[in-house]
Amino acid sequence: QEQLQESGPGLVKPSETLSLTCTVSGDSISGYYWNWVRQSPGNGLEWIGHIYYTGTTNYNSSLKSRVTISLDTSKSQFSLKLSSVTAADTAIYYCARAPLYGGRAVYFDYWGQGSLVTVSS
Amino acid sequence: QSAVTQEVSVSGTVGQKVTLSCTGNINNIGSYAVGWYQQISHGAPKTVMFGNSLPSGIPDRFSGSKSGTTASLTISGLQPEDEADYYCSTWDYSLSAVVFGGGTKLTVL
Repeated sequence: QEQLQESGPGLVKPSETLSLTCTVSGDSISGYYWNWVRQSPGNGLEWIGHIYYTGTTNYNSSLKSRVTISLDTSKSQFSLKLSSVTAADTAIYYCARAPLYGGRAVYFDYWGQGSLVTVSS
Repeated sequence: QSAVTQEVSVSGTVGQKVTLSCTGNINNIGSYAVGWYQQISHGAPKTVMFGNSLPSGIPDRFSGSKSGTTASLTISGLQPEDEADYYCSTWDYSLSAVVFGGGTKLTVL
């Protein structure tokens, strides 16, 4: 049974960089896409981006200029950095695993519990 | 405007069969399988279907299907604990991105 756990500061100041880490336990990092998804208050799910275990990344075009996702296979962790944050980035941030399906990340099979990040001075 | 759309709300009574839909285009649902996620009271999403495969531990009253550019999640024998928000997702090759539907609020009357 795969388990994912987000960690990081719950409060970030405007214009600073949001940093979160997802620790994976139970299975190998290999063979999967590792994703970040967020949900702002009262809204639906928004895909931020993912990293394949080989290091290849894809990002949501609306966030691409501010997002970096990286992978540390030795620690079974992957991380999210979102720069120049504003109040609009206040959300619950989830990490999630996506198996390779038809060569793509089509669906998510495991999710973390989520980490609330508030952007405020 | 999301690339994939869902009904805003659906309701049903206990024991009834309900179907939630997820409509896209040839670039997404028309080309790839769809995942479905249940979110109860703003908790973490839980995967209840991918393609027409049921994850371990999900009751078999949940089933999935797809026809053309529309995917469906059917719940047969609706239970009170099925009341939740349901989201669908898939890959969109023109956007090179995962796309989510806006979510459907399922109310069990």
